[in-house]
Amino acid sequence: AQSVTQLGSHVSVSEGALVLLRCNYSSSVPPYLFWYVQYPNQGLQLLLKYTTGATLVKGINGFEAEFKKSETSFHLTKPSAHMSDAAEYFCAVSDRRSPYGGSQGNLIFGKGTKLSVKP
Amino acid sequence: GAGVSQSPRYKVAKRGQDVALRCDPISGHVSLFWYQQALGQGPEFLTYFQNEAQLDKSGLPSDRFFAERPEGSVSTLKIQRTQQEDSAVYLCASSPSVNTEAFFGQGTRLTVV
Repeated sequence: AQSVTQLGSHVSVSEGALVLLRCNYSSSVPPYLFWYVQYPNQGLQLLLKYTTGATLVKGINGFEAEFKKSETSFHLTKPSAHMSDAAEYFCAVSDRRSPYGGSQGNLIFGKGTKLSVKP
Repeated sequence: GAGVSQSPRYKVAKRGQDVALRCDPISGHVSLFWYQQALGQGPEFLTYFQNEAQLDKSGLPSDRFFAERPEGSVSTLKIQRTQQEDSAVYLCASSPSVNTEAFFGQGTRLTVV
């Protein structure tokens, strides 16, 4: 069975500092991997995803993530934090074998990491 | 608005009451998903529709949960005889086709008292 582990339920950084949010997954087959952001009282918004090809994926708002198969990781980074980045971030995995899943099927989410940005 | 719309945004139900949560997907979207997000947790998959067909309901936690999408557009998630453990945010998402990004609604926060 697939699963996702996000290390740290709460991460705090200073404005301008590096953001690193950790995600490890377990999957018996190469997964599709996603990062979502959720602002208070908002729905989930896709930041980036890995399906195939280049393992370094660039997303919106300056975020990027690297798929490392040997480490079963998909950590999210941003070189310089902005106050507007304060939100909750969810890593998710999808089973590419799902008949309807393709790249966006039955998603298995981590528990989330709340990012705070200090001025 | 062009996004996924869910109603009501907030619902308080007495234990044992039946509730119905509505999802209006983006027009023309084929795929529709329901997720349950408990406090402090990530969303958990409940069920999936492709047009009007419910292709996967493996995530529905009990037979008190029922979802439908009779005309392949609007979907309703019904919970019968609500229990306190049903308190959560229920998220709906839709996507244009099977293999494309799904767009999430703002969710319905259900509180069972």
